[in-house]
Amino acid sequence: NAGVTQNPKFQVLKTGQSMTLQCAQDMNHNSMYWYRQDPGMGLRLIYYSASEGTTDKGEVPNGYNVSRLNKREFSLRLESAAPSQTSVYFCASSPGTGALGNQPQHFGDGTRLSIL
Amino acid sequence: ILNVEQSPQSLHVQEGDSTNFTCSFPSSNFYALHWYRWETAKSPEALFVMTLNGDEKKKGRISATLNTKEGYSYLYIKGSQPEDSATYLCAPTSGTYKYIFGTGTRLKVLA
Repeated sequence: NAGVTQNPKFQVLKTGQSMTLQCAQDMNHNSMYWYRQDPGMGLRLIYYSASEGTTDKGEVPNGYNVSRLNKREFSLRLESAAPSQTSVYFCASSPGTGALGNQPQHFGDGTRLSIL
Repeated sequence: ILNVEQSPQSLHVQEGDSTNFTCSFPSSNFYALHWYRWETAKSPEALFVMTLNGDEKKKGRISATLNTKEGYSYLYIKGSQPEDSATYLCAPTSGTYKYIFGTGTRLKVLA
């Protein structure tokens, strides 16, 4: 019962470097999400994918790109990392079937990213 | 739904005390209200999903109520225990896949 798996758990980057955060779920969920969590700001939605083949911007998409590689995997890419992107990143998934917005999300353990 | 407020921001209670916190949200365009429990160094865990005005949900010593007309939900913990220490998040949705999370109420239960 892995649920939602994120890799890596920790990463330190230099300004301008690029990297991809990986997320995979084994619950056959349709919808997947990327959030960032900053002190005093709660969880803010970066991008989401309602179903395989679709992606949409959330509250704070600037500086990020995403790829819904298949139903299981949803990656988040930082093309040119900036110190303002230092944060903890959470991936989540939900069944995404039936009525919208009334299904709980299942979260990964997070990726702690520091950009120097 | 953009303005989600949770109060208080943090709370310390003694073991055995009962406590409650509030989630406020715009009542227009409401679809569902989620509560999550988030322990330090772990990931958020879903507690309740409520959709109807007057809904009440219960899970052990934790319960929640929903008032969609005035735009608020209460989370109650009866007889708090140290293991209840966590941040409690609410997230209203408006019928889309976007969940807007509040900043949470951080609860510390002192033994």
